[in-house]
Amino acid sequence: QKEVEQDPGPLSVPEGAIVSLNCTYSNSAFQYFMWYRQYSRKGPELLMYTYSSGNKEDGRFTAQVDKSSKYISLFIRDSQPSDSATYLCAMMGAGKSTFGDGTTLTVKP
Amino acid sequence: KAGVTQTPRYLIKTRGQQVTLSCSPISGHRSVSWYQQTPGQGLQFLFEYFSETQRNKGNFPGRFSGRQFSNSRSEMNVSTLELGDSALYLCASSLGVAGGRNEQFFGPGTRLTVL
Repeated sequence: QKEVEQDPGPLSVPEGAIVSLNCTYSNSAFQYFMWYRQYSRKGPELLMYTYSSGNKEDGRFTAQVDKSSKYISLFIRDSQPSDSATYLCAMMGAGKSTFGDGTTLTVKP
Repeated sequence: KAGVTQTPRYLIKTRGQQVTLSCSPISGHRSVSWYQQTPGQGLQFLFEYFSETQRNKGNFPGRFSGRQFSNSRSEMNVSTLELGDSALYLCASSLGVAGGRNEQFFGPGTRLTVL
């Protein structure tokens, strides 16, 4: 069983929709949680970084962490076609980084 | 501030050859991690270097090796290439060791094709 499981997708939504991307994890040593956005044929770009349970907001993006349930989410409000990309969750702890397999999102105009 | 740079961006090799990929981290960053990304396996950790020492290693065969220089630049080498080594190889840098409270910033990757 993988330490990090990410909702596989793909996900297709109309422009303006609220998008929810989710990951679960099993390793209690994970303390830091990140979301990356990766456009086709590019390297991942860090979107959000958090280390405590609760919500962190940055513009249209909100990262949510629930350590008790070992569950993290990324919400995108008012989604735009430019948000179309693969989103990767990542977790750090115990000397290592572990990534989810990614969810591909398409936002249709 | 310049981001992480990787060279070359694209590479075509044949089975049995060897290849060296290069990564220059963000100025001031001392940790460099390497990842392999394939459609079937996702992003898999290869190894991490910090201050010229390998700190962590993923589950890859010994054909995959790396090193870091005193200026924090890093190289990754793959010997005796196999078809399955075709992938996007990503380098990420961070201020401190990646397992701690340090964000990782990725380069654009080197796309390796093995024929």
